[in-house]
Amino acid sequence: QVQLQESGPGLVKPSQTLSLTCTVSGGSISSGGYYWSWIRQHPGKGLEWIGNIYYSGGNYYNPSLKSRVTISVDPSKNQFSLKLSSVTAADTAVYYCARDGGRDGSDIWGQGTKVTVSS
Amino acid sequence: EIVLTQSPGTLSLSPGERATLSCRASQTVSSSFLAWYQQKPGQAPRLLIYLASTRATGIPDRFSGSGSGTDFTLTISRLEPEDFAVYYCQQYGSSPYTFGQGTKLEIK
Repeated sequence: QVQLQESGPGLVKPSQTLSLTCTVSGGSISSGGYYWSWIRQHPGKGLEWIGNIYYSGGNYYNPSLKSRVTISVDPSKNQFSLKLSSVTAADTAVYYCARDGGRDGSDIWGQGTKVTVSS
Repeated sequence: EIVLTQSPGTLSLSPGERATLSCRASQTVSSSFLAWYQQKPGQAPRLLIYLASTRATGIPDRFSGSGSGTDFTLTISRLEPEDFAVYYCQQYGSSPYTFGQGTKLEIK
């Protein structure tokens, strides 16, 4: 079955760019019918939707982060990625990637990766 | 942006009891695009319900969702020990998608 796995640095310095990749296995990101999302969870807090992307490149971003976020997709590698620029301590969180089935909700999630912003 | 408010913040119940969790939206949720997720410590959220009332694959029938417009409910008919967790509602009918702040279901 389809599985998602986040990867990337666990520690990022303030003002730098956070970069994460989500690798999709057990299915093709290009098969269509799904958006591919990033969601984060601050320590001990609730969930925050960052944005999503379709395999062909169309995407949506949370306006609260839009000026700093880029989500891209690489169908040849079956991956999609998150870049968050100018990070501060407030960006410290567990970052999840997820498959967004549109009307069917986000049915598959990665295990999450913890990112700490600190010098 | 649609704000989702969940209540109660914490619900203390015993196994075998019925749990009723509420999610209220600040605006009408388009096409009942409302989902419920369960999250246990150290784990990713798990989709329970989508389209307000449709159970996701593999979810036991003791979980049910209802509601439309701005008021939604997740009901767990008879609590099992593994059901004690945090539950989040999410609207995905309009961007940005938003989550409620969560309801913690704890063992009494």
